[in-house]
Amino acid sequence: NAGVTQTPKFRVLKTGQSMTLLCAQDMNHEYMYWYRQDPGMGLRLIHYSVGEGTTAKGEVPDGYNVSRLKKQNFLLGLESAAPSQTSVYFCASSFLRHDRNEKLFFGSGTQLSVL
Amino acid sequence: GENVEQHPSTLSVQEGDSAVIKCTYSDSASNYFPWYKQELGKGPQLIIDIRSNVGEKKDQRIAVTLNKTAKHFSLHITETQPEDSAVYFCAASPGSQGNLIFGKGTKLSVKP
Repeated sequence: NAGVTQTPKFRVLKTGQSMTLLCAQDMNHEYMYWYRQDPGMGLRLIHYSVGEGTTAKGEVPDGYNVSRLKKQNFLLGLESAAPSQTSVYFCASSFLRHDRNEKLFFGSGTQLSVL
Repeated sequence: GENVEQHPSTLSVQEGDSAVIKCTYSDSASNYFPWYKQELGKGPQLIIDIRSNVGEKKDQRIAVTLNKTAKHFSLHITETQPEDSAVYFCAASPGSQGNLIFGKGTKLSVKP
């Protein structure tokens, strides 16, 4: 059981380039999330999805877009990368909404550097 | 919205000692308080959680306490071991009114 898988694990971009981060989960979870982790800032929610075909904004959505075309996949896109988007990105999933005492399952992260 | 403060940001203890990490939250509507452990190079993993109708919860060497009146909750690790070294995050959820909000993390180092 792979759980939550993120690709790629590392990426370096130049300012203005675009890229897509892929998250896949094999636990049949309804809810999926994208977080970014910055030193001294903890984990901040970018976007989330409550089911296939749905997306919603989190705390820090600007500069990112997401899509959930299939239940098992959640894509995070950067259309025009900026140095402020240098961060570690984590995808997570849960069976029910996390506020119903549901545990989040995290992937191992994507280290993104924007030069 | 909810705001979670976590202290200390770093904590160093000797193996066998106890470690305590404290968090405060601002939204009195918050009702779910999980703790996540993040080992180097990995994603966070849930280690324990508590709901607002419970004052304390234990799981072997780990315990969490909640004081709703003061709006703070704490993680207690007893008999620390080197494998407890990690970054620990607290979080609070205001239920259906919002998303899980994480503290900034505490880097715990357990020295053998």
